[in-house]
Amino acid sequence: AQKITQTQPGMFVQEKEAVTLDCTYDTSDPSYGLFWYKQPSSGEMIFLIYQGSYDQQNATEGRYSLNFQKARKSANLVISASQLGDSAMYFCAMRGPDNYGQNFVFGPGTRLSVLP
Amino acid sequence: GAVVSQHPSWVICKSGTSVKIECRSLDFQATTMFWYRQFPKQSLMLMATSNEGSKATYEQGVEKDKFLINHASLTLSTLTVTSAHPEDSSFYICSAKRQGLSQPQHFGDGTRLSIL
Repeated sequence: AQKITQTQPGMFVQEKEAVTLDCTYDTSDPSYGLFWYKQPSSGEMIFLIYQGSYDQQNATEGRYSLNFQKARKSANLVISASQLGDSAMYFCAMRGPDNYGQNFVFGPGTRLSVLP
Repeated sequence: GAVVSQHPSWVICKSGTSVKIECRSLDFQATTMFWYRQFPKQSLMLMATSNEGSKATYEQGVEKDKFLINHASLTLSTLTVTSAHPEDSSFYICSAKRQGLSQPQHFGDGTRLSIL
């Protein structure tokens, strides 16, 4: 069974600084996908970035980058130049095996607070 | 873009009432839609997965007769909470996904359900 672990219940970062949110996963399947979502206090879930298990390069999307270390089974999200609007819950998620690729497993989340 | 509309945003109703929540993918055809429940300060809990034209697949512990899911078209899925009771009060959020393993789930804005 797949499992996602996010060991940081809460994180603080100073505005304009970079921050890393940890995510480790467990799966026995060689094919999987990793996703990060942001959930502001208003409740909507916003897709941020995707990394496939066979991707050779780390994914980047604007200020977001994913530090993918396959051997360690980690997929940490790096947010550069933090902004006040980055304050939110962040969820790491993993897509299941090819045959059941529709289902995602979500981690418990990390609450990020950006300080002015 | 990938826009998912969820309606209504808020529902307050009396115990015993049935409540229908709609989830629409506005600019893409969603082969699969998902329904989640989220308790305060917790991660998303998958309730069921629905594919267009077929019966929904419910997660263990989710009552099929309590939470009726209909996925009548590639752009619309509905969740009906039948004979709702205070313990059904929660944040319900839907998502829709295009075909493809690298495709993320795109979420609606959620529905806050309060049963008095």
